[in-house]
Amino acid sequence: QSALTQPASVSGSPGQSITISCTGTSSDVGGYNYVSWYQQHPGKAPKLMIFEVTNRPSGIPDRFSGSKSGNMASLTISGLQAEDEADYYCSSYTSSSTVFFGGGTKLTVL
Amino acid sequence: EVQVVESGGGLVQPGGSLRLSCAASGITFSDFWMSWVRQGPGKGLEWVASVKPDGGETSYVDSVKGRFTISRDNAKNSLYLQMSGLRAEDTAVYYCATGRATSQYWGQGTLVTVSS
Repeated sequence: QSALTQPASVSGSPGQSITISCTGTSSDVGGYNYVSWYQQHPGKAPKLMIFEVTNRPSGIPDRFSGSKSGNMASLTISGLQAEDEADYYCSSYTSSSTVFFGGGTKLTVL
Repeated sequence: EVQVVESGGGLVQPGGSLRLSCAASGITFSDFWMSWVRQGPGKGLEWVASVKPDGGETSYVDSVKGRFTISRDNAKNSLYLQMSGLRAEDTAVYYCATGRATSQYWGQGTLVTVSS
């Protein structure tokens, strides 16, 4: 079993937009619309930001959006704010009825 | 308000056993898949196991198959993880979370340390 591939780090200035990629295979990301994105601040539990590729839970600002093309999913954050600085993880359901997480991406707001 | 609270973590010797518990409130527990997700020190998230709402189906990450057992008691709104044959690489914060492919509610985690 292998984790999904994410960049180790991304950065952006306040007000800018950034995109975090999440690459899998046809057995996970590409095969199902069950991609989720989580935000995790240091010492805190993960927080669901996007589910089923494009959907935002109640209370998540529309600055956060998700998409998918083939075996790659993406999380875009527009209008970056200082509080967005955190680790971000993607996850996907798999053909083996398991769940893969990505290795995580550290977002730095400059 | 939804609350998810894990308990049962601690220090255990290699080869030992430990049982984690998770109590959920504010949701109809019996409607939800439930999962355990762990995070090693300084590492990323790793899905460990999930159980169907009625307890009739379970799935595990390969590294814990045969050693860990996930179970639930819907009458008590509780989820469990029985861990045996523990290894140093099982050292992590273990989170209880609702759902399987989508985990909306998470506990704050319980730390399991495997060391002699």
